[in-house]
Amino acid sequence: DVKVTQSSRYLVKRTGEKVFLECVQDMDHENMFWYRQDPGLGLRLIYFSYDVKMKEKGDIPEGYSVSREKKERFSLILESASTNQTSMYLCASSLSINREQSGGELFFGEGSRLTVL
Amino acid sequence: GQNIDQPTEMTATEGAIVQINCTYQTSGFNGLFWYQQHAGEAPTFLSYNVLDGLEEKGRFSSFLSRSKGYSYLLLKELQMKDSASYLCAPGSGYSTLTFGKGTMLLVSP
Repeated sequence: DVKVTQSSRYLVKRTGEKVFLECVQDMDHENMFWYRQDPGLGLRLIYFSYDVKMKEKGDIPEGYSVSREKKERFSLILESASTNQTSMYLCASSLSINREQSGGELFFGEGSRLTVL
Repeated sequence: GQNIDQPTEMTATEGAIVQINCTYQTSGFNGLFWYQQHAGEAPTFLSYNVLDGLEEKGRFSSFLSRSKGYSYLLLKELQMKDSASYLCAPGSGYSTLTFGKGTMLLVSP
């Protein structure tokens, strides 16, 4: 069965702390994504990766970085957490076919709800 | 860039049919996804259209017109469990998806 696992369902951090959100998928997918979801704003893409050690900025990368050292793992890093980064963070993965055709459906993890005080 | 427009909220009664529309302007468009998201849960895949026309899958159907930048999701024989947010997501490039803000559907008895 398809599985995307996010390391923490709920986190509470203080302003200025470094935060790591981990995501692991067991489907051998090339593509991995980090989104945040906020009421009224919907899902917004932070970063994505289409291969190991590759990363691309999404729509709202400011204040975030990512790491993809292994195919199955994609980490989101908040170097210095701020209160406006309080949000639900969703990791997703998908299979890549080619550039001309969308790689198929996204499989999402259960989400990590981060509160920054 | 992406520009996706779908209604914020819709209401319908059990057993009815509802159509959720989505218009989009997407560079490098290569297909359109619909996702369902229940409150407090992650989105789950509903449908994918790459060619113009209607794709039917049980009670749910999805339509795409690439030339018009338009899609709709049709839900038939509505059930209470269909109360959820429905997300329109045009695909482009390396499977990158940008999501619309979602349409919250409330099904009442």
